[in-house]
Amino acid sequence: SQKIEQNSEALNIQEGKTATLTCNYTNYSPAYLQWYRQDPGRGPVFLLLIRENEKEKRKERLKVTFDTTLKQSLFHITASQPADSATYLCALDMYGGGSYIPTFGRGTSLIVHP
Amino acid sequence: GAVVSQHPSWVICKSGTSVKIECRSLDFQATTMFWYRQFPKQSLMLMATSNEGSKATYEQGVEKDKFLINHASLTLSTLTVTSAHPEDSSFYICSARLRDGETQYFGPGTRLLVL
Repeated sequence: SQKIEQNSEALNIQEGKTATLTCNYTNYSPAYLQWYRQDPGRGPVFLLLIRENEKEKRKERLKVTFDTTLKQSLFHITASQPADSATYLCALDMYGGGSYIPTFGRGTSLIVHP
Repeated sequence: GAVVSQHPSWVICKSGTSVKIECRSLDFQATTMFWYRQFPKQSLMLMATSNEGSKATYEQGVEKDKFLINHASLTLSTLTVTSAHPEDSSFYICSARLRDGETQYFGPGTRLLVL
């Protein structure tokens, strides 16, 4: 079965720096990969989606890369702000049973210090 | 982005009772809705996939008779936890998707506490 690995240790960085979060997966490459933000006690909020034939996607201060050879996605937040502090989840959609089924990583907690 | 609502946002019930959670897509028609459960500091665990007008597909280890899912329309899916027990206490989150290859939009979640 597909396994998704995200760093379980919290990432602490200083405001203004670039935060880089990692998502590694085993087995088959997904059709597409998504990153979400989750605040405590809330549902995840979609950030970016990248497809298997795309290497990079950007949205404002966010950038996602997708390397199907390394089986890895990197999520970058540039010019980080304390408001960016949250848990970031990586999700893969695998095709099975006639549809795409999502699988989530455990998430990595990001803490941006002022 | 699209909006998905869940109701109630939290519920406390006695052991043995049933609890119904509603998930609505407010401004789009969702062909597929997903139900997740999340324990503290754990990842989202997919419980079932619900397609409008058909029976839900449950993930391995999820009892379909305990977690009843009804997807009556393109904007509403319900999850009923039957005969709830303390071990069912968790954070339940739904999501809705317009079609394969599109993003999921999540509801705010429902926190269930079974006493």
